Amino acid sequence: GDSVTQMEGPVTLSEEAFLTINCTYTATGYPSLFWYVQYPGEGLQLLLKATKADDKGSNKGFEATYRKETTSFHLEKGSVQVSDSAVYFCALTYLNAGNMLTFGGGTRLMVKP
Amino acid sequence: KAGVTQTPRYLIKTRGQQVTLSCSPISGHRSVSWYQQTPGQGLQFLFEYFSETQRNKGNFPGRFSGRQFSNSRSEMNVSTLELGDSALYLCASSLGANQETQYFGPGTRLLVL
Repeated sequence: GDSVTQMEGPVTLSEEAFLTINCTYTATGYPSLFWYVQYPGEGLQLLLKATKADDKGSNKGFEATYRKETTSFHLEKGSVQVSDSAVYFCALTYLNAGNMLTFGGGTRLMVKP
Repeated sequence: KAGVTQTPRYLIKTRGQQVTLSCSPISGHRSVSWYQQTPGQGLQFLFEYFSETQRNKGNFPGRFSGRQFSNSRSEMNVSTLELGDSALYLCASSLGANQETQYFGPGTRLLVL
C-alpha cells in the first residue's frame, strides 16, 4: 500500500541554519503531496502542497519540490527561526482515495537561539 | 471564516465506557475526516465522510464509528473503550471530494483510565 517515510528526529539546529527534512513516498498512481506542521498543543496546519511532478510548493520561507523520479518531497528552509520549532509531517493523498491522507511518522525540529 | 472546531477538547473516561466526539467543519466544507494520533502509531486515518456518506475507512475495529449530518457536522463514537484508545483525535474538513487540502481542528485529547 501507499506509505510515506520521513527522517527520524529530533533535528536540532541553531537559529539561521539551513533546514532539510527528507520525505520519500511509495504510491500507486499520482499522489498529491503535502507538508503539515504541528505546534505544541495544537492541531495540524498546512504548510505547503504540490499536486504534480516538478511542482514546487512554498510558504513562509519553506519549500519542497515534487520529484517523481526519486519519489521524494524534501522540505527545506534557508534560515530557521526559534519559532519554527514544531513537528513536521509529510503526507500524501491520491485520486480515488477521496481526501484520505497517509502520513509519515513526523520529524520534530528544535531550533536553539 | 471560523476554522474547524472540536468538542470537547479534553476527556477522561474509564475502560468499557463509550465516548462521542464532535466536529464542526469550516462553513461550506462537505468532507470531514477523522484521524487518531498516538506517540507509538503516529497519525492514522479513521474514516472520511462526504455529504453524509462514509467514503473511506481506516484499519480500525468496529468499535470506532462515525456519522455526518446534513449540515456537515460530524461525530465519531468509540464504544467499549480500551486503554489503547487514549489518543489525540483530530478532525479535518475539506471543500471538495478528492485530493483537497484538509484543514484540521485542534483535536480532542482522550484519556482512558
